[in-house]
Amino acid sequence: EVQLVESGGGLVQPGGSLRLSCAASGLTFSSYWMSWVRQAPGKGLEWVAIINQDATGEFYVDSVKGRFTISRDNAKNSVYLQMTSLRAEDTAVYYCATYSTRSGWLDPWGQGTLVTVSS
Amino acid sequence: DIQMTQSPSSVSASVGDRVTITCRASQGISGSLTWYQQKPGKAPKLLIYAASSLQSGVPSRFSGSGSGTDFTLSISSLQPEDFATYYCQQANSFPLTFGGGTKVEIK
Repeated sequence: EVQLVESGGGLVQPGGSLRLSCAASGLTFSSYWMSWVRQAPGKGLEWVAIINQDATGEFYVDSVKGRFTISRDNAKNSVYLQMTSLRAEDTAVYYCATYSTRSGWLDPWGQGTLVTVSS
Repeated sequence: DIQMTQSPSSVSASVGDRVTITCRASQGISGSLTWYQQKPGKAPKLLIYAASSLQSGVPSRFSGSGSGTDFTLSISSLQPEDFATYYCQQANSFPLTFGGGTKVEIK
């Protein structure tokens, strides 16, 4: 069974930094694109970032470009999201998910980790 | 960026009802459209991919159709476990974008 487990969320002050991790198991991790999606409290889903299998390609939503960096370590079956210059509007549950380039779906998803940006 | 517009934003329905949700893309995306179901406090669950292909394990009362800019998710006979929020997502180009969601509530 494929399992994705996020960690690293918490309370951070505006302007601060946080690094999220997502540990994968039950799949050949190095074969998959990996993505982060967030959901602000009571709001809809917002795609954040994606990285290809060998970390040679990354894409971001405009609102996080220059502040967030996605990376991966295939030896550790993990993907990361380094978040800097955090703003109140970055407050959300952050999910990692595998991405199928063939079908365009995000599946499966982790359980999510909550990031709260507040003073 | 491709904008995805879902309607309605919410719908009240009874068990056994047929429910239809629409998703419109701001530009043509061929068949690159995915539907998810999300229940409170849970991660989204993949229902339909490539506009009309049912994910393994998803009940056959769910169906999807459409191509280009207009897409539909239908639930043929609503069951108690189907009360949730549904999202569409385009995969034609980055950034990936989601519709605003449709909450299916109990009437």
